[in-house]
Amino acid sequence: AQKVTQAQTEISVVEKEDVTLDCVYETRDTTYYLFWYKQPPSGELVFLIRRNSFDEQNEISGRYSWNFQKSTSSFNFTITASQVVDSAVYFCALSAFNQAGTALIFGKGTTLSVSS
Amino acid sequence: DADVTQTPRNRITKTGKRIMLECSQTKGHDRMYWYRQDPGLGLRLIYYSFDVKDINKGEISDGYSVSRQAQAKFSLSLESAIPNQTALYFCATSDFGTGEDTQYFGPGTRLTVL
Repeated sequence: AQKVTQAQTEISVVEKEDVTLDCVYETRDTTYYLFWYKQPPSGELVFLIRRNSFDEQNEISGRYSWNFQKSTSSFNFTITASQVVDSAVYFCALSAFNQAGTALIFGKGTTLSVSS
Repeated sequence: DADVTQTPRNRITKTGKRIMLECSQTKGHDRMYWYRQDPGLGLRLIYYSFDVKDINKGEISDGYSVSRQAQAKFSLSLESAIPNQTALYFCATSDFGTGEDTQYFGPGTRLTVL
């Protein structure tokens, strides 16, 4: 069975702190994709990143970085120098190629609160 | 203008009523999806469509039906709404043809069934 676990339900930090959101996935497929989405208080879902299972290079985009480790089935997301605008619910998701990308399997989300 | 639009954005209805939620996209994507979000449960797939003639049930399709009227339009219906269908509903689209298949979401419809 495929599954995504975000063990951290809620995280609270103070502005300028670094924070890491954990994501652990389960799949038997060798080809798959991992995603992170952001849901700010306004409610929309914003796509942040897509990573395929053959690309284990870490990625950095501004204050955001992602660490993909197949050995531990993890795809963690770090925000450096957090800001109040980073307050949101963050979802990790998995899509398996042999299901022809039929759907995303979402974790239950991590609510990040950044205070000033 | 938004690439994926959903109407209505908010709806309050009563038990037993028929409700239709609509989704339109201007992204030219072939695939469309309906998800529901419940607090603490993440998003779960209701139905998905690979093209106008291909519609498939997702994880939680009971109590729902869909119609793909055109490549750009995908509607979700609740034939007889019940209170536990109160949720935030999202439409999403993706373009399998490019090989990327990243799903992009609409703004959501908040449905309350009394």
